[in-house]
Amino acid sequence: DTEVTQTPKHLVMGMTNKKSLKCEQHMGHRAMYWYKQKAKKPPELMFVYSYEKLSINESVPSRFSPECPNSSLLNLHLHALQPEDSALYLCASSQEWGDNEQFFGPGTRLTVL
Amino acid sequence: AQKITQTQPGMFVQEKEAVTLDCTYDTSDQSYGLFWYKQPSSGEMIFLIYQGSYDEQNATEGRYSLNFQKARKSANLVISASQLGDSAMYFCAISAEYGNKLVFGAGTILRVKS
Repeated sequence: DTEVTQTPKHLVMGMTNKKSLKCEQHMGHRAMYWYKQKAKKPPELMFVYSYEKLSINESVPSRFSPECPNSSLLNLHLHALQPEDSALYLCASSQEWGDNEQFFGPGTRLTVL
Repeated sequence: AQKITQTQPGMFVQEKEAVTLDCTYDTSDQSYGLFWYKQPSSGEMIFLIYQGSYDEQNATEGRYSLNFQKARKSANLVISASQLGDSAMYFCAISAEYGNKLVFGAGTILRVKS
């Protein structure tokens, strides 16, 4: 299995909702990442987990809360989002933090109303 | 700090022809990696090719090759024999040796014409 899966593919939520994005990989990778990508812009790193511990938080607002329950799963909990948070959220993984290649999932397209 | 510059917002190429996508970079690190990713309209980022800063040979992966000129700090992607399925956004990225933070360029939209 050489892929990263993300659910849901699309999500529409109101500013008062609580929702979660899910990412899963079964490649035995020990580093996992969340990126945010606005339309026609490059991805921007949000969080890095290495061996299930948060290693990097790129000054992301607290309304985004990452969680790594085990080495295969990465969640992003969303609460009280703003319309400007609407974007494509990409998950990625790599063998180790510091490895050459990151494998990306298909992303979740989030719309905040 | 690291920076990637992609000066071509959009490119057209005729099917079956070769195309070069430009990428220049700036970094203070002695050891670094350069990457190219393809992003179709579906959104998934697809890894294409990697070049390490100490690699003497230019990287090649099938129809993709990376023209690495270290002194000029350029890492251009060459796609040979373009196919309609190559139409996508292409991102050049750089990462330091330690810590796997990828810094992406603004991207180039490639359109292959039949």
